[in-house]
Amino acid sequence: AQKITQTQPGMFVQEKEAVTLDCTYDTSDPSYGLFWYKQPSSGEMIFLIYQGSYDQQNATEGRYSLNFQKARKSANLVISASQLGDSAMYFCAMREDNTGTASKLTFGTGTRLQVTL
Amino acid sequence: DTAVSQTPKYLVTQMGNDKSIKCEQNLGHDTMYWYKQDSKKFLKIMFSYNNKELIINETVPNRFSPKSPDKAHLNLHINSLELGDSAVYFCASSQFGVGGEQYFGPGTRLTVT
Repeated sequence: AQKITQTQPGMFVQEKEAVTLDCTYDTSDPSYGLFWYKQPSSGEMIFLIYQGSYDQQNATEGRYSLNFQKARKSANLVISASQLGDSAMYFCAMREDNTGTASKLTFGTGTRLQVTL
Repeated sequence: DTAVSQTPKYLVTQMGNDKSIKCEQNLGHDTMYWYKQDSKKFLKIMFSYNNKELIINETVPNRFSPKSPDKAHLNLHINSLELGDSAVYFCASSQFGVGGEQYFGPGTRLTVT
């Protein structure tokens, strides 16, 4: 079974609008972390935002916020006021804390976001 | 200063050759990783080291051998390269604890011909 599911292979949004990128996850570990990364066409992986499973509040970082719904096992990324530079692949990832000292990230298949004028 | 660096950025080689990719991080992190991103952009963990000790080995062929001379460096050596090894290889590092976000290097695009 997929541990991280991103059902939107591609999304379009107009500049200055908000967009939500979906992510659902599957784990039986009570302690885990959820991450979003951005990969522009230049190829680097850029860390955007983190949400811990025990965090009571949704994480926010500038124009990025994570809509964390634990019961639904979803961790959607919301980008407000989209900019042309937001055009990129976006990956959701999960770290399960039962794997010991070094916790690997399991990634989803990504969503390609295109911001239009 | 670059936080996680990798060399080379591009690597083109023939089948059967042996090649290495080097990674260095100056973030003071205690854990380093190698990930492989295939042509469909899917990212998968290969190895992880914590303080020079191998922690994760995700059923990678033994032609791939990571080496960590110290906690700031994690190199990847690949023997007898095959066409299917063509991919982008990312090094990453993190500090175990709350958050523990992983910071990635720029990637090495390996093309095997």
